Amino acid sequence: EVQLVESGGGLVQPGGSLRLSCSASGFTFSIYAMHWVRQAPGKGLEYVSSISGNGGSTYHPDSVKGRFTISRDNSKNTLYLQMSSLTAEDTALYSCVKGREGGGYHSRAFDYWGQGTLVTVSS
Amino acid sequence: DIQMTQSPSSLSASVGDRVTITCRASQGISNYLAWYQQKPGKVPKLLIYAASTLQSGVPSRFSGSGSGTDFTLTISSLQPEDVATYYCQQYNSAHITFGQGTRLEIK
Repeated sequence: EVQLVESGGGLVQPGGSLRLSCSASGFTFSIYAMHWVRQAPGKGLEYVSSISGNGGSTYHPDSVKGRFTISRDNSKNTLYLQMSSLTAEDTALYSCVKGREGGGYHSRAFDYWGQGTLVTVSS
Repeated sequence: DIQMTQSPSSLSASVGDRVTITCRASQGISNYLAWYQQKPGKVPKLLIYAASTLQSGVPSRFSGSGSGTDFTLTISSLQPEDVATYYCQQYNSAHITFGQGTRLEIK
């Protein structure tokens, strides 16, 4: 059974930093692209970052580029999101998601989601 | 960035009704589109990818169609357990984007 368990969220002051972790199990972690998606309270889904299976390729949209860094440790089956220069607009539930099998574009559809870890940015 | 616009934003229908949700992309995305269902308090669930391919385990009353810029999600016979918010997602671009969501309720 695929399991994705996030940790590391919490209350942080504006301008602060936080590192999120996602522990994966139930599948061969190293061959799948992984992603972070966030959802502000009562709002829709927002894509945050992606990383290829071997970690050699990453993508961050402009909204987080230069502030957030996605990484992974395949020896530990763990995905990370390092966040810095946080603002109130970053307050959200951050979920770790697994890309579909098969490679190519369709691996960017998300077939498993973690329950998420809540990040609150407030003074 | 590719903008995804869903309509309607919310709808109410009766059990057994045929329900259609549409999603329009601001530029062509081929068939690189997925649909998700998010029930209250739950994480999203992948229903359809490649615009029309049903994810394993998803009931056959769900179907998807479209290509290019216009897409639809259809529920052939609405069931009480289908109450949820539905999101489309484009993955043609490295900057993945979601629609704003469609909230579906039972009348």
